[in-house]
Amino acid sequence: GDSVTQMEGPVTLSEEAFLTINCTYTATGYPSLFWYVQYPGEGLQLLLKATKADDKGSNKGFEATYRKETTSFHLEKGSVQVSDSAVYFCALSLGTYKYIFGTGTRLKVLA
Amino acid sequence: DAGVIQSPRHEVTEMGQEVTLRCKPISGHDYLFWYRQTMMRGLELLIYFNNNVPIDDSGMPEDRFSAKMPNASFSTLKIQPSEPRDSAVYFCASSLSFGLNTGELFFGEGSRLTVL
Repeated sequence: GDSVTQMEGPVTLSEEAFLTINCTYTATGYPSLFWYVQYPGEGLQLLLKATKADDKGSNKGFEATYRKETTSFHLEKGSVQVSDSAVYFCALSLGTYKYIFGTGTRLKVLA
Repeated sequence: DAGVIQSPRHEVTEMGQEVTLRCKPISGHDYLFWYRQTMMRGLELLIYFNNNVPIDDSGMPEDRFSAKMPNASFSTLKIQPSEPRDSAVYFCASSLSFGLNTGELFFGEGSRLTVL
């Protein structure tokens, strides 16, 4: 079945470090791919998305590229800040409005 | 613009009691979703509606759970009777459809339920 696998956390980094959170997916069709972020005590909010192969989504310094050949959508940021501390969810959807979310990766950035 | 509004933010109840969670989606959105988040199972889709009609309720855990959407601006998720294993954060989300690609989901802040 369709699924999303993302790296387990927590990920702890120092401020200004480089961030990568891995995400791979399995899908029967051509999904849209998303990264959502959840700050403490809040709901999820869309961080970035990509709807077809080779698309790059970007927002707030975060980037992810839709790689069909490796079925991946890894999240990267060149220099993290303390304010980036949150839980990050990779997700896919095949246009049926039934999103499939990964288990989430907690990021903690230390000053 | 107001986002998705959920109430209550926190609910503590005793086993066997009825719990009703409420959601007001973003005006104009035609899809509404109920999710449950726990440490063990992560984020699970319980049910979703399109134009107030339930489309897929296969994620509803059992008959103790029911959801309604009487109009475009209001939905409820009811648990009767509640059990300790229902303790979780329940999220409501809404979205606007466009073509074959799914749109962004807009989440409320969640209702944290604790069943003692």
